[in-house]
Amino acid sequence: DIQMTQSPSTLSASVGDRVTITCRASQSISSWLAWYQQKPGKAPKLLIYKASSLESGVPSRFSGSGSGTEFTLTISSLQPDDFATYYCQQYNSYARLTFGGGTKVEIK
Amino acid sequence: QVQLVQSGAEVKKPGSSVKVSCKASGGTFSSYAISWVRQAPGQGLEWMGRIIPILGIANYAQKFQGRVTITADKSTSTAYMELSSLRSEDTAVYYCATGATSADAFDIWGQGTMVTVSS
Repeated sequence: DIQMTQSPSTLSASVGDRVTITCRASQSISSWLAWYQQKPGKAPKLLIYKASSLESGVPSRFSGSGSGTEFTLTISSLQPDDFATYYCQQYNSYARLTFGGGTKVEIK
Repeated sequence: QVQLVQSGAEVKKPGSSVKVSCKASGGTFSSYAISWVRQAPGQGLEWMGRIIPILGIANYAQKFQGRVTITADKSTSTAYMELSSLRSEDTAVYYCATGATSADAFDIWGQGTMVTVSS
């Protein structure tokens, strides 16, 4: 199975900061990568699909980039509602989907 | 847009099985691939497998092969996930999920079902 490695596992930041989370795949996944936001007790929410396509209704401060094995999620100006855990997920491998370990964004 | 509604919380004994349901409404059920994802307390997300109801074909993560069975009933627009030989490590919230834009980028999630395995 394709392994997805996220970094950092925890990130401390302030409102207004630019935040970048990295996700690396153990082999090339083209652009078949999604990013999710999850808050405690809630189901994950899709933010980005196909590495850089913004899901409808998601604020434009969220952006995704990358292809092959290295990907980033960027929040251009962190807002109070953005403190949450973020996961990447590859869907290149037919019927062998995998998630990254998650990045918790905390208040500094 | 399809919505997914899951069955309620379960408490099971080690060694037993659990079957969780996921009912779709508001869309064409058979054309979506339904995946199951679980999350143990304080842990990350783990994909377990999926089914394409229109084909009746299920695929499973290697970790769960032989222990999980995913099925779908087109007549009731319901998908099921059955996990057998339960152990304490299977205590988790189990989600069903699907994608309207891309089957495997999940923009639609069920509310989650808590399964507790305890003697």
